[in-house]
Amino acid sequence: KQEVTQIPAALSVPEGENLVLNCSFTDSAIYNLQWFRQDPGKGLTSLLLIQSSQREQTSGRLNASLDKSSGRSTLYIAASQPGDSATYLCAVEGGAQKLVFGQGTRLTINP
Amino acid sequence: DGGITQSPKYLFRKEGQNVTLSCEQNLNHDAMYWYRQDPGQGLRLIYYSQIVNDFQKGDIAEGYSVSREKKESFPLTVTSAQKNPTAFYLCASSIKRVRDGDGYTFGSGTRLTVV
Repeated sequence: KQEVTQIPAALSVPEGENLVLNCSFTDSAIYNLQWFRQDPGKGLTSLLLIQSSQREQTSGRLNASLDKSSGRSTLYIAASQPGDSATYLCAVEGGAQKLVFGQGTRLTINP
Repeated sequence: DGGITQSPKYLFRKEGQNVTLSCEQNLNHDAMYWYRQDPGQGLRLIYYSQIVNDFQKGDIAEGYSVSREKKESFPLTVTSAQKNPTAFYLCASSIKRVRDGDGYTFGSGTRLTVV
């Protein structure tokens, strides 16, 4: 059974810092990995989707990498801003076309 | 604009009552999903449907029911058999072959509270 773990559970950094969020998964047979952002009481906003054949994806200040063989993904946020404060979730899609989620990293950017 | 609409945003249920959460998408996606989110437990899959008139149980289907009569709609009924229904419910959709598309799109959620 696929399990997804996100470390750390919470992170607080000063504005302007570069930071890395980690995601690991137990079964490397995945189709893709997706990073989401969730603001309090809101739905999920898709940030980046990495297909299994890809190594990384970039969008603005965000860069996500995928190492399928080691079961790891990282989300790199450059020059963090207070507006980046949210919970970040990673999810993998394996067989049966279902997403399995990690429990998220709650990020706080301090002005 | 294409997207997923969930309604209502807030819902209150009395003990022993069935309630239905609405989910509508205009993305022309084949597959739709319902997730439940509880504090400290992440998102758990309740039901999913990959095609009209067909759906499968997820990891926590007990006490819930769904229908998929139209491609655009995937309502979730929380029945009286669900003993702890208070949670945040999220609906999502994707094209059938996600590896060819843009991944999953989520709605804004429905917060259900038992009163």
